[in-house]
Amino acid sequence: QSALTQPPSASGSPGQSVTISCTGTSSDVGGYNYVSWHQQHPGKAPKLMIYEVSKRPSGVPDRFSGSKSGNTASLTVSGLQAEDEADYYCSSYTGSDKFVFGTGTTVTVL
Amino acid sequence: EVQLVESGGGLVQPGGSLRLSCAASGFTFSSRWMCWVRQAPGKGLVWVSRLNTDGTTTGYADSVKGRFTISRDNAKNTLYLQMNSLRAEDTAVYYCATDLSGPGEYWGQGTLVTVSS
Repeated sequence: QSALTQPPSASGSPGQSVTISCTGTSSDVGGYNYVSWHQQHPGKAPKLMIYEVSKRPSGVPDRFSGSKSGNTASLTVSGLQAEDEADYYCSSYTGSDKFVFGTGTTVTVL
Repeated sequence: EVQLVESGGGLVQPGGSLRLSCAASGFTFSSRWMCWVRQAPGKGLVWVSRLNTDGTTTGYADSVKGRFTISRDNAKNTLYLQMNSLRAEDTAVYYCATDLSGPGEYWGQGTLVTVSS
């Protein structure tokens, strides 16, 4: 169960877009449409932003969108705002009732 | 208001045991899969375990399989994680969360487990 690969950091100016990648294998990201994205501010519990690749829970702004191509999933944050500065983690089902998280990406709003 | 409140964390010696609890309220606990996720100090999230609604289907990370046991009491709206043979690398904040095709939309505030002599 190796962690999914995410870039350590990403950044953008207010109003711009930033896209975070999450790379796995055909045994996890590529094999199932069960990819989620979580946002975590320092000292806080994670917050679900996207589930099942591209679905948004109630209350999550439509500035957040998810997609997947092959073994790589992506989270795009459009119209960056100061409050979007946080750590972001992807997760994927790996079969046999198991999941794995990504390595995490710190998003900085310049 | 949905609430998940973890308890049972603390300092334990290597090889020791702890049982974490997660008290749920504000939603129909018995109809939701649940999971545990941990985060070592300054590190990333790590998925630990999941459990179906009636407690008959479980999943564990390889790193905890055989040492940790997830369970639930739907009458008490409570999720548990029994942790045995604890190691220093199990030191982390442990979160319980609902499971929505993966770690889901409701999370507790976490409880810190420290394994040290």
